[in-house]
Amino acid sequence: QVQLVESGGGLVKPGGSLRLSCAASGFTFSDYYMSWIRQAPGKGLEWVSYISSSGSTIYYADSVKGRFTISRDNAKNSLYLQMNSLRAEDTAVYYCARDLSGPDYWGQGTLVTVSS
Amino acid sequence: DIQMTQSPSSLSASVGDRVTITCQASQDISNYLNWYQQKPGKAPKLLIYDASNLETGVPSRFSGSGSGTDFTFTISSLQPEDIATYYCQQYDNLPFFGGGTKVEIK
Repeated sequence: QVQLVESGGGLVKPGGSLRLSCAASGFTFSDYYMSWIRQAPGKGLEWVSYISSSGSTIYYADSVKGRFTISRDNAKNSLYLQMNSLRAEDTAVYYCARDLSGPDYWGQGTLVTVSS
Repeated sequence: DIQMTQSPSSLSASVGDRVTITCQASQDISNYLNWYQQKPGKAPKLLIYDASNLETGVPSRFSGSGSGTDFTFTISSLQPEDIATYYCQQYDNLPFFGGGTKVEIK
């Protein structure tokens, strides 16, 4: 069965960096686009970024453009999100999701807290 | 960017009631629309894809309709386990979500 497991979340100071990882299993990872989606405490879902199956096509939400970098390693069945220049408003649960005409399977999420 | 306007933001209904949620796109998205259910503390779950197709294993009391800019999500007979927040999401362009509808039991 499809499994997505995020890791790397935690507490970081404003201006700091964090790298999230998502380990995928149960499907052919290299065949699928993948997305990062976040949810601030008590708020709705916000799409952050997605990457094509080969990694050649990447898009970002305006709110993270220039600060976040999505990448993938198809040999390791892994998706990453490098987050730099973090702000308080980046505090959220970050989900990775398999993308098939929109996200179909989601991980359980990892919490990122940006606070001094 | 295509914006999604979802309404209502919350609703309260009785068990057995018919519940309807609407989602309006800022431009024509054909049928490129999904509906998700999110229970507290859990990841979202895909219920409806391509506006009207039921994901495998999802109860038939859930349904979706619409195309172009106007879409509807319906629970034909609300059950206690349907308490959740529901989101629409378009994938015609960058995959933006609607603001969500919190469904509660009256």
